[in-house]
Amino acid sequence: EVQLVESGGGLVQPGGSLRLSCAASGFTFSSYWMSWVRQAPGKGLEWVANIKQDGSEKYYVDSVKGRFTISRDNAKNSLYLQMNSLRAEDTAVYYCARRSDILTGALDYWGQGTLVTVSS
Amino acid sequence: SYELTQPPSVSVSPGQTARITCSGDALPKQYAYWYQQKPGQAPVLVIYKDSERPSGIPERFSGSSSGTTVTLTISGVQAEDEADYYCQSADSSGTYKVFGGGTKLTVL
Repeated sequence: EVQLVESGGGLVQPGGSLRLSCAASGFTFSSYWMSWVRQAPGKGLEWVANIKQDGSEKYYVDSVKGRFTISRDNAKNSLYLQMNSLRAEDTAVYYCARRSDILTGALDYWGQGTLVTVSS
Repeated sequence: SYELTQPPSVSVSPGQTARITCSGDALPKQYAYWYQQKPGQAPVLVIYKDSERPSGIPERFSGSSSGTTVTLTISGVQAEDEADYYCQSADSSGTYKVFGGGTKLTVL
């Protein structure tokens, strides 16, 4: 069974940092692109970042470029999101999701999300 | 930046057909996907590659594409289909992903 479990969320002050983790199981993690998607309270979904299977390609939404870094450890079946210089508008539930090449790039499995609150 | 446009809300009675549209300039070049999200839950993929249905998704869910608009159709809507629906695609380069603003489907 495919499982994605996020952790690392919490309350952080503006300007602070946080590192999110996503533990993957039930599939060959190293064979898939992975994504982070966020959802601010009461708002819609926003794609945040993608990372290729071997970590050689990474893409970000403009609003987080230079502040967030996506990474992965295939030996540990884990995906990460390092978030620096956090702002109030980064407050959201952060989901990790698997991108399926078989389904032409669809996000076919999602974790349950971890809440990040940026507030003083 | 690239945007996908969805209507904020759609309402239908049980048994009727719901249609949710999503418009974007790059949709003729990029595949679209649809996700269903119920309150407090993670999104679930219901349509990929414009019109394909993943295994386990009921046949009443279908997708179509015409020019710069894609449409999610739910035939014979059931109470359990009440949820937020999001389209997702990419810019013309295929590099940067984007979600539509979401449509709240209300089953009257």
